[in-house]
Amino acid sequence: DTEVTQTPKHLVMGMTNKKSLKCEQHMGHRAMYWYKQKAKKPPELMFVYSYEKLSINESVPSRFSPECPNSSLLNLHLHALQPEDSALYLCASSQPYQETQYFGPGTRLLVL
Amino acid sequence: GQQLNQSPQSMFIQEGEDVSMNCTSSSIFNTWLWYKQDPGEGPVLLIALYKAGELTSNGRLTAQFGITRKDSFLNISASIPSDVGIYFCAGQRETSGSRLTFGEGTQLTVNP
Repeated sequence: DTEVTQTPKHLVMGMTNKKSLKCEQHMGHRAMYWYKQKAKKPPELMFVYSYEKLSINESVPSRFSPECPNSSLLNLHLHALQPEDSALYLCASSQPYQETQYFGPGTRLLVL
Repeated sequence: GQQLNQSPQSMFIQEGEDVSMNCTSSSIFNTWLWYKQDPGEGPVLLIALYKAGELTSNGRLTAQFGITRKDSFLNISASIPSDVGIYFCAGQRETSGSRLTFGEGTQLTVNP
């Protein structure tokens, strides 16, 4: 099973809202990733968790707050976002220090 | 910054034709990955390459890890309409840990 699931599939939020994106994998992977992707551009890395600990934060604004409750789950908490944060948010997983990453279907976020 | 040159940027072909795209870099890579992304969906892993010179097939797809470790190509034979999408190469450099470097993508259009 090489499936990574993400919910919700679509999300519309105002700039004062608080929302969360969720990601789940059952492949036994111990590394999980959040990416942001703009239309027709490659994914941009935001955060990496390895063994449930944050190992990489690519200078992401604090209005994005990641959380890894256990080895199968990854959340991204959103607060006070800006319209330019509208994008496809992708979750991925892999074995730690293994380069083969498997992506979820993404959450399409629109900030109004 | 972006360190992978992916070409061509776009391709318009007739159904049944073969397709070739490639990625090159001035840096050495340990792993090359090829993904396909449909609109509104997450990237799907097509082929993973781990050794210089490695040639791997997945159905009508064939990819190679360049001998110099600085390039990779993907071939699609006998294209069909469902091959339409954006193809991304991604590589893991020796010094980048968990980070993948992505190419800018090749937009493939197949005319029936």
